[in-house]
Amino acid sequence: SQQGEEDPQALSIQEGENATMNCSYKTSINNLQWYRQNSGRGLVHLILIRSNEREKHSGRLRVTLDTSKKSSSLLITASRAADTASYFCATASRYGSNYKLTFGKGTLLTVNP
Amino acid sequence: DAGVIQSPRHEVTEMGQEVTLRCKPISGHDYLFWYRQTMMRGLELLIYFNNNVPIDDSGMPEDRFSAKMPNASFSTLKIQPSEPRDSAVYFCASSSSVGNTIYFGEGSWLTVV
Repeated sequence: SQQGEEDPQALSIQEGENATMNCSYKTSINNLQWYRQNSGRGLVHLILIRSNEREKHSGRLRVTLDTSKKSSSLLITASRAADTASYFCATASRYGSNYKLTFGKGTLLTVNP
Repeated sequence: DAGVIQSPRHEVTEMGQEVTLRCKPISGHDYLFWYRQTMMRGLELLIYFNNNVPIDDSGMPEDRFSAKMPNASFSTLKIQPSEPRDSAVYFCASSSSVGNTIYFGEGSWLTVV
């Protein structure tokens, strides 16, 4: 079963607007990561936030993490047409000496010029 | 700096045929992952290796699937015999440490007819 669930499944906005995507998860995590996937390509890492962090910034990206609510959000400010892609959250969890990075099903973001 | 390299990029094969997907991880990365992506199930972890040793293969769907990592710079995922429901994009990814950023290849697009 999926650990992270993104919301919404699809989002369409105009260039220049902000885009917010949410991720909810079920079990405790070591960190949460956001990835981007352009159509027909592999996933590219965007940002990682550790379980003891609440907010992190990288350029036009802002990620928040609320471990009490088991949720995270990704904000892309001043969106551009080139931001059109699918965005995935991934939760990193340890179990014993093993480790698992589990992906949600993604949010498809379309930025219209 | 070369990323994760996968081959073939596209493969169309007939049901019952053997399929071998190949991966070269980023040099120096100790962890290698095989993921499968479909519209229905999203991105699923099939197996991961640490220092060429399989650590968790609980995601491998059935005995028709096998993965090997004979050395630090090469891994294969084999499906024998292939079935139409195996049609998916198979991603290889690598990482330098557990729980942190993983780097994806561009994927192998498999169609079984």
